[in-house]
Order: sequence, then structure tokens, then C-alpha cells
Amino acid sequence: DQQVKQNSPSLSVQEGRISILNCDYTNSMFDYFLWYKKYPAEGPTFLISISSIKDKNEDGRFTVFLNKSAKHLSLHIVPSQPGDSAVYFCAAIFYGQNFVFGPGTRLSVLP
Amino acid sequence: GAGVSQTPSNKVTEKGKYVELRCDPISGHTALYWYRQSLGQGPEFLIYFQGTGAADDSGLPNDRFFAVRPEGSVSTLKIQRTERGDSAVYLCASSSDGSYNSPLHFGNGTRLTVT
Repeated sequence: DQQVKQNSPSLSVQEGRISILNCDYTNSMFDYFLWYKKYPAEGPTFLISISSIKDKNEDGRFTVFLNKSAKHLSLHIVPSQPGDSAVYFCAAIFYGQNFVFGPGTRLSVLP
Repeated sequence: GAGVSQTPSNKVTEKGKYVELRCDPISGHTALYWYRQSLGQGPEFLIYFQGTGAADDSGLPNDRFFAVRPEGSVSTLKIQRTERGDSAVYLCASSSDGSYNSPLHFGNGTRLTVT
């Protein structure tokens, strides 16, 4: 039973355009969400997070949106750059639980 | 500063053998985690240490898996009687204070292949 889902295994976007990566979760107890980025042969690196008391968090080109009623979050990258090509994992947690990761979405930014 | 270091980066072993995977967390980080990532999947929780003690080992799949962190720094994940299904990338992560939502800092992983 996957508690965190990323239904798009892959996404291709033109350089300079917006990339939107989606994540859905099933456990309403999750109260903190994170996005990680992973390059081949490297470990995931933390990108951005959001608390459930917020609906938006922005850091440079990266913005995460949270819709609690829909149990949905998304990561927006604007503008997309070739160096953004990687696998992106959504993760969720609540106190007393450990981080639960989604299966990832592979983003390809085409020059 | 140095990140999380994992050794070896690759390990090939025969079915039935014993393996040890090592993790050096970021200096000063009190919380240490082990995750396992299979192809096409996200990291899956195995075990969490706060200091020297295993605070949560609920993710260990069976009693062939064991992990220690005797001095509250370096950790070793031990797998006995390896099976082909154990083949995966084993990721170690640490965080600064173990607050439940502190972001994890991952190492590059050990790719374990059981033949």
C-alpha cells in the first residue's frame, strides 16, 4: 500500500519552460513534505520542503504547492534548465513516523 | 565539509554469504538512518538510530538484517545469508538533531549485488 504516489514515472520539458512534478499521498496524518533530487550514482539531495500549515513555499526557481484537502502537492521549476534533469522524489512524514518516499519521477530537460 | 560517506560503493557477493556495509555520517549529526532503494522505487526505510541506540528498526525486513552504531557515529549494516532479493542500493542518511522533520542528508549508497 503506497502512502506516497508519484504517478508519472517520467516527464520531458523544453529548456526555459516550466516543469511541474506531482505527488499524491493517502495518509492524512502527514504534516511535513519534502522534495529530493537524485542524479545517477549519487544519493538523493534535499531540495525544498513545506509544512502542512502552509500551502506554498518558494526557493529561487523552485516552488512547492500543497493542497491538503486533495492530499496533493506539486513541485514547480521555473525556468527549467538542463542541469535539472534528474529523478525527483516526494517524501512525507509525521511525528513518530519515518520519512516515506514516493517512487520518483524522472525529469528530462531538453536543450 | 564532508558529507555522508558510504563504503564500499559497490559490493558483489554470492548467495548465502555475509556482508557488511559501512556508513560515516556528517560529523556532529546525531540521527542516522538506513534506507534501501530497489530499481524503479523510492528509498524504503530500514532502521533509525538516535545516538547509539536503534530508535526504530521496524523497517528491517527480517532477522537476517542487523545494524549497529556502537559509538554514536559510524554505523554498519550487516546482512547474513544474503539472498538475490537483497540486491539493491543501500542508502545511509544523517540529520543534525533528529527532529522528526529535519531533512536527511544522504550518502551515495552501496550497490549490493547478490549472485
